[in-house]
Amino acid sequence: DTAVSQTPKYLVTQMGNDKSIKCEQNLGHDTMYWYKQDSKKFLKIMFSYNNKELIINETVPNRFSPKSPDKAHLNLHINSLELGDSAVYFCASSQAGGAYEQYFGPGTRLTVT
Amino acid sequence: DAKTTQPNSMESNEEEPVHLPCNHSTISGTDYIHWYRQLPSQGPEYVIHGLTSNVNNRMASLAIAEDRKSSTLILHRATLRDAAVYYCILRPSNDYKLSFGAGTTVTVRA
Repeated sequence: DTAVSQTPKYLVTQMGNDKSIKCEQNLGHDTMYWYKQDSKKFLKIMFSYNNKELIINETVPNRFSPKSPDKAHLNLHINSLELGDSAVYFCASSQAGGAYEQYFGPGTRLTVT
Repeated sequence: DAKTTQPNSMESNEEEPVHLPCNHSTISGTDYIHWYRQLPSQGPEYVIHGLTSNVNNRMASLAIAEDRKSSTLILHRATLRDAAVYYCILRPSNDYKLSFGAGTTVTVRA
């Protein structure tokens, strides 16, 4: 029973397209996150939602918009995709606060051509 | 974000212990010390975390210096499956995000 799942696992698309990545967690956590891992393997936080409210919004282009329909889901929609958006995107979840561990999904590898 | 310093890489033999150091001289009193690892082509995986006292779990042990300016992750018996990038991260108690650095790449020799 997968704790944090993401779909799709791979996404290949052309520049200018709009795409979405979905994330679901069955751990009962209140907080969910999106991280981006670029080609140099650096992992960086993008967004975080706590109880469906946006609490972290790092310096991310407006083309990226997270949406949390409920506490168990956090989707990432990307408009007008660019070559530089190619990366692996990881979803994670945790209980609220720095004392708790985060559980990560398997990642979505996005390739923009 | 409070910074940590880790060696770029370490090698170990299978079934031997691995001691991964982490320096965090600017740690504050409310910073938790978290360790995660990332196996090839997988998402990061939680290993262990602590605040002031040493911690043990089924995966590893975390030894925290008395002044909290450094810590060591101990893998008691390395297996080939432990080959991964290990990240030492300081996380304030009121902060939600994890700020990943470059980590330590651990290679395990059979």
